[in-house]
Amino acid sequence: EIVMTQSPLSLPVTPGEPASMSCRSSQSLLHSDGKNYLHWYLQKPGHSPQLLIYLGSNRASGVPDRFSGSGSGTYFTLRISRVEAEDVGVYYCMQGLQGPWTFGQGTRVEIK
Amino acid sequence: EVQLVESGGGLVQPGGSLRLSCVASGLTFRSSWLHWVRQVPGKGLVWVAHTNGDGNSTYYADSVRGRFTVSTDSGKNMVYLQMNSLRVEDTAMYYCARDSLDRSFDPWGQGTLVIVSS
Repeated sequence: EIVMTQSPLSLPVTPGEPASMSCRSSQSLLHSDGKNYLHWYLQKPGHSPQLLIYLGSNRASGVPDRFSGSGSGTYFTLRISRVEAEDVGVYYCMQGLQGPWTFGQGTRVEIK
Repeated sequence: EVQLVESGGGLVQPGGSLRLSCVASGLTFRSSWLHWVRQVPGKGLVWVAHTNGDGNSTYYADSVRGRFTVSTDSGKNMVYLQMNSLRVEDTAMYYCARDSLDRSFDPWGQGTLVIVSS
Protein backbone atom coordinates (compact mmCIF):
# COMPACT_ATOMS: atom_id res chain seq x y z
CA GLU A 1 0.00 0.00 0.00
CA ILE A 2 1.25 3.48 -0.90
CA VAL A 3 1.39 5.74 2.14
CA MET A 4 0.57 9.41 1.65
CA THR A 5 1.90 12.00 4.09
CA GLN A 6 0.74 15.60 4.13
CA SER A 7 2.19 18.62 5.87
CA PRO A 8 1.40 20.72 7.64
CA LEU A 9 -1.70 19.22 9.25
CA SER A 10 -2.97 22.68 10.16
CA LEU A 11 -2.41 25.85 8.18
CA PRO A 12 -3.66 29.22 9.48
CA VAL A 13 -3.86 31.67 6.60
CA THR A 14 -4.49 35.36 6.05
CA PRO A 15 -6.93 36.36 3.29
CA GLY A 16 -5.08 37.77 0.31
CA GLU A 17 -1.84 36.02 1.26
CA PRO A 18 -0.40 32.93 -0.45
CA ALA A 19 -0.47 29.48 1.09
CA SER A 20 1.10 26.16 0.26
CA MET A 21 1.01 22.59 1.48
CA SER A 22 2.85 19.44 0.56
CA CYS A 23 2.19 15.77 0.00
CA ARG A 24 4.71 12.93 -0.07
CA SER A 25 4.16 9.40 -1.25
CA SER A 26 6.01 6.29 -0.09
CA GLN A 27 6.70 5.36 -3.71
CA SER A 28 6.83 7.21 -6.99
CA LEU A 29 3.48 8.13 -8.51
CA LEU A 30 5.03 8.64 -11.93
CA HIS A 31 3.61 6.06 -14.29
CA SER A 32 5.34 4.79 -17.42
CA ASP A 33 2.79 6.83 -19.40
CA GLY A 34 4.48 9.98 -18.08
CA LYS A 35 1.62 10.99 -15.78
CA ASN A 36 1.81 11.53 -12.05
CA TYR A 37 -1.27 9.91 -10.50
CA LEU A 38 -1.62 12.40 -7.69
CA HIS A 39 -4.84 14.29 -7.09
CA TRP A 40 -5.93 17.03 -4.69
CA TYR A 41 -9.36 17.44 -3.11
CA LEU A 42 -10.94 20.09 -0.92
CA GLN A 43 -13.58 19.21 1.63
CA LYS A 44 -15.35 22.35 2.76
CA PRO A 45 -17.04 22.25 6.18
CA GLY A 46 -20.21 20.17 6.03
CA HIS A 47 -19.69 19.16 2.40
CA SER A 48 -18.46 16.25 0.36
CA PRO A 49 -14.93 16.36 -1.06
CA GLN A 50 -14.52 18.04 -4.43
CA LEU A 51 -11.77 17.53 -6.98
CA LEU A 52 -9.37 20.47 -7.26
CA ILE A 53 -6.31 19.23 -9.12
CA TYR A 54 -5.81 16.01 -11.08
CA LEU A 55 -2.61 14.40 -12.32
CA GLY A 56 -0.53 16.65 -10.14
CA SER A 57 -1.04 19.94 -11.93
CA ASN A 58 -4.32 20.08 -13.87
CA ARG A 59 -7.13 22.18 -12.45
CA ALA A 60 -10.52 20.51 -12.47
CA SER A 61 -13.42 22.19 -14.20
CA GLY A 62 -14.53 25.37 -12.44
CA VAL A 63 -11.54 25.56 -10.09
CA PRO A 64 -10.19 29.11 -9.80
CA ASP A 65 -6.75 29.77 -11.23
CA ARG A 66 -5.45 30.84 -7.82
CA PHE A 67 -5.04 27.09 -7.16
CA SER A 68 -2.02 25.38 -8.68
CA GLY A 69 -0.38 22.01 -8.25
CA SER A 70 3.16 20.93 -8.94
CA GLY A 71 5.59 18.12 -8.29
CA SER A 72 6.56 14.73 -9.61
CA GLY A 73 7.51 11.32 -8.34
CA THR A 74 7.10 11.35 -4.59
CA TYR A 75 6.79 15.03 -3.70
CA PHE A 76 3.90 17.33 -4.60
CA THR A 77 2.76 20.81 -3.64
CA LEU A 78 -0.57 22.62 -3.72
CA ARG A 79 -0.42 26.41 -3.77
CA ILE A 80 -3.07 29.05 -3.34
CA SER A 81 -1.83 32.34 -4.75
CA ARG A 82 -4.19 34.54 -2.74
CA VAL A 83 -6.33 32.86 -0.12
CA GLU A 84 -9.99 33.73 0.03
CA ALA A 85 -12.38 33.05 2.91
CA GLU A 86 -14.18 30.39 0.86
CA ASP A 87 -10.97 28.32 0.64
CA VAL A 88 -11.24 27.11 4.25
CA GLY A 89 -11.59 23.39 4.73
CA VAL A 90 -9.48 20.26 4.62
CA TYR A 91 -7.26 19.55 1.64
CA TYR A 92 -6.47 15.93 0.83
CA CYS A 93 -4.01 14.44 -1.61
CA MET A 94 -4.75 11.01 -3.04
CA GLN A 95 -2.77 8.59 -5.14
CA GLY A 96 -4.53 6.98 -8.09
CA LEU A 97 -1.56 4.93 -9.29
CA GLN A 98 -2.57 1.60 -7.82
CA GLY A 99 -5.09 0.02 -5.52
CA PRO A 100 -5.80 0.37 -2.73
CA TRP A 101 -6.24 4.07 -3.44
CA THR A 102 -4.90 6.01 -0.49
CA PHE A 103 -5.32 9.51 0.90
CA GLY A 104 -3.13 11.76 2.98
CA GLN A 105 -4.27 12.74 6.48
CA GLY A 106 -5.41 16.14 5.25
CA THR A 107 -4.27 19.73 5.77
CA ARG A 108 -6.82 21.87 7.58
CA VAL A 109 -6.82 25.45 6.28
CA GLU A 110 -8.36 28.06 8.52
CA ILE A 111 -8.45 31.81 8.55
CA LYS A 112 -6.23 33.48 11.15
CA GLU B 1 -23.87 17.01 -15.31
CA VAL B 2 -22.92 13.85 -13.46
CA GLN B 3 -24.73 13.38 -10.15
CA LEU B 4 -24.45 10.68 -7.52
CA VAL B 5 -26.95 10.25 -4.70
CA GLU B 6 -26.42 7.77 -1.86
CA SER B 7 -29.03 6.30 0.45
CA GLY B 8 -29.53 3.44 2.85
CA GLY B 9 -27.51 4.54 5.86
CA GLY B 10 -28.77 4.25 9.39
CA LEU B 11 -28.25 2.73 12.82
CA VAL B 12 -27.40 -0.96 13.01
CA GLN B 13 -26.16 -3.23 15.77
CA PRO B 14 -22.71 -4.82 15.69
CA GLY B 15 -22.84 -7.99 13.62
CA GLY B 16 -25.74 -6.67 11.59
CA SER B 17 -26.10 -5.88 7.89
CA LEU B 18 -26.96 -2.86 5.80
CA ARG B 19 -27.14 -2.17 2.09
CA LEU B 20 -26.16 1.21 0.74
CA SER B 21 -27.31 2.44 -2.66
CA CYS B 22 -25.92 5.02 -5.04
CA VAL B 23 -27.87 6.17 -8.08
CA ALA B 24 -25.87 7.77 -10.87
CA SER B 25 -27.11 10.13 -13.56
CA GLY B 26 -25.53 12.07 -16.40
CA LEU B 27 -22.97 9.39 -17.28
CA THR B 28 -22.61 6.27 -19.40
CA PHE B 29 -23.01 3.86 -16.55
CA ARG B 30 -21.74 0.64 -18.08
CA SER B 31 -18.44 2.23 -19.09
CA SER B 32 -17.94 3.92 -15.72
CA TRP B 33 -16.00 2.92 -12.64
CA LEU B 34 -17.45 3.82 -9.27
CA HIS B 35 -15.90 3.87 -5.83
CA TRP B 36 -17.05 3.81 -2.22
CA VAL B 37 -15.06 5.95 0.20
CA ARG B 38 -15.77 6.35 3.91
CA GLN B 39 -15.00 8.95 6.51
CA VAL B 40 -15.30 8.63 10.24
CA PRO B 41 -16.77 11.93 11.48
CA GLY B 42 -13.93 14.38 12.04
CA LYS B 43 -11.35 12.07 10.47
CA GLY B 44 -9.84 11.47 7.05
CA LEU B 45 -10.94 9.74 3.86
CA VAL B 46 -10.53 5.99 3.41
CA TRP B 47 -11.13 4.14 0.17
CA VAL B 48 -13.39 1.09 0.61
CA ALA B 49 -14.18 -0.56 -2.71
CA HIS B 50 -14.73 -0.05 -6.40
CA THR B 51 -16.52 -1.65 -9.30
CA ASN B 52 -17.08 -1.20 -12.99
CA GLY B 53 -20.55 -0.47 -14.31
CA ASP B 54 -21.11 -4.11 -15.21
CA GLY B 55 -20.24 -5.17 -11.68
CA ASN B 56 -17.95 -7.92 -12.94
CA SER B 57 -14.71 -6.30 -11.76
CA THR B 58 -14.48 -5.39 -8.10
CA TYR B 59 -11.73 -4.59 -5.62
CA TYR B 60 -11.83 -4.12 -1.86
CA ALA B 61 -9.80 -2.64 0.94
CA ASP B 62 -8.36 -5.30 3.24
CA SER B 63 -10.44 -3.96 6.14
CA VAL B 64 -13.73 -4.86 4.44
CA ARG B 65 -12.84 -7.74 2.12
CA GLY B 66 -15.02 -10.75 2.89
CA ARG B 67 -17.60 -8.64 4.72
CA PHE B 68 -18.61 -6.03 2.12
CA THR B 69 -19.79 -6.70 -1.43
CA VAL B 70 -20.17 -4.12 -4.17
CA SER B 71 -22.57 -4.75 -7.03
CA THR B 72 -24.41 -2.86 -9.74
CA ASP B 73 -27.72 -2.76 -11.57
CA SER B 74 -26.86 -1.15 -14.89
CA GLY B 75 -30.52 -0.98 -15.88
CA LYS B 76 -31.14 1.35 -12.95
CA ASN B 77 -27.73 3.06 -12.91
CA MET B 78 -27.33 1.85 -9.34
CA VAL B 79 -24.31 0.80 -7.33
CA TYR B 80 -24.79 -1.07 -4.08
CA LEU B 81 -22.59 -1.73 -1.08
CA GLN B 82 -23.79 -4.72 0.90
CA MET B 83 -22.23 -4.55 4.35
CA ASN B 84 -22.33 -7.65 6.54
CA SER B 85 -20.83 -8.47 9.93
CA LEU B 86 -20.69 -4.79 10.72
CA ARG B 87 -18.32 -3.55 13.42
CA VAL B 88 -18.31 -0.43 15.52
CA GLU B 89 -15.29 0.74 13.53
CA ASP B 90 -17.37 0.70 10.33
CA THR B 91 -19.24 3.73 11.65
CA ALA B 92 -18.68 6.46 9.07
CA MET B 93 -20.13 8.61 6.34
CA TYR B 94 -20.04 6.57 3.13
CA TYR B 95 -19.53 8.38 -0.16
CA CYS B 96 -20.01 7.17 -3.69
CA ALA B 97 -17.64 8.70 -6.26
CA ARG B 98 -17.02 8.31 -9.98
CA ASP B 99 -13.59 7.46 -11.32
CA SER B 100 -12.86 10.30 -13.70
CA LEU B 101 -10.05 12.15 -15.47
CA ASP B 102 -7.24 9.67 -15.03
CA ARG B 103 -8.19 7.90 -11.81
CA SER B 104 -9.32 10.90 -9.86
CA PHE B 105 -12.68 10.86 -8.10
CA ASP B 106 -15.18 13.32 -9.52
CA PRO B 107 -17.90 13.96 -8.59
CA TRP B 108 -18.76 12.68 -5.12
CA GLY B 109 -22.21 12.10 -3.72
CA GLN B 110 -23.46 13.81 -0.59
CA GLY B 111 -22.84 10.71 1.52
CA THR B 112 -24.95 8.48 3.73
CA LEU B 113 -24.19 7.97 7.43
CA VAL B 114 -23.80 4.50 8.91
CA ILE B 115 -23.73 4.11 12.68
CA VAL B 116 -22.86 0.75 14.16
CA SER B 117 -23.75 0.71 17.82
CA SER B 118 -25.54 -1.40 20.38
